[in-house]
Amino acid sequence: KQEVTQIPAALSVPEGENLVLNCSFTDSAIYNLQWFRQDPGKGLTSLLLIQSSQREQTSGRLNASLDKSSGRSTLYIAASQPGDSATYLCAVISGTYKYIFGTGTRLKVLA
Amino acid sequence: DADVTQTPRNRITKTGKRIMLECSQTKGHDRMYWYRQDPGLGLRLIYYSFDVKDINKGEISDGYSVSRQAQAKFSLSLESAIPNQTALYFCATSDPSDRGSGELFFGEGSRLTVL
Repeated sequence: KQEVTQIPAALSVPEGENLVLNCSFTDSAIYNLQWFRQDPGKGLTSLLLIQSSQREQTSGRLNASLDKSSGRSTLYIAASQPGDSATYLCAVISGTYKYIFGTGTRLKVLA
Repeated sequence: DADVTQTPRNRITKTGKRIMLECSQTKGHDRMYWYRQDPGLGLRLIYYSFDVKDINKGEISDGYSVSRQAQAKFSLSLESAIPNQTALYFCATSDPSDRGSGELFFGEGSRLTVL
């Protein structure tokens, strides 16, 4: 059974710091991996999707990497800003409909 | 306008009442999903639909039913609401993961409180 873990559960950093969020999964047989951002009480916004044949994807200050063999993905946020404060979730796409979500990392960027 | 729209956004109801949450999408996707999110439990799949004639139970379907009225519309019903169905409900859409990217797109959510 695929399990997805995100560590740490919460993170607080000063503005301007570069940071890395981690996502681990137990079964390397995945289609794709997707990173989301969720603001309190709001929907999930797709940030990046990495297809299983890719090693990384970039969008602005965000860079996501994927290492299937080790069951890991990282989301790198450069030059963090208070507006980046949110919960970040990863989801592994394990089958034609199976999206397995981590429980998220709650990020707070201090001004 | 949002690509995935949910109504209502907030609803307070009483135990035993029938509730319908509606979802419509303009992404042109065949696949639609209903999830619920609870603090500490993450996102759990209630029902999913691959097309209008293909509806499937997810991991927590008891107490819920769905209707796929059209490619763009997927509604979730609670026939007799109970307090432990208080949660944030999300509709989502995707293209097929085995023939496309499988990227998942969410609505803004419907917060349901059952008293």
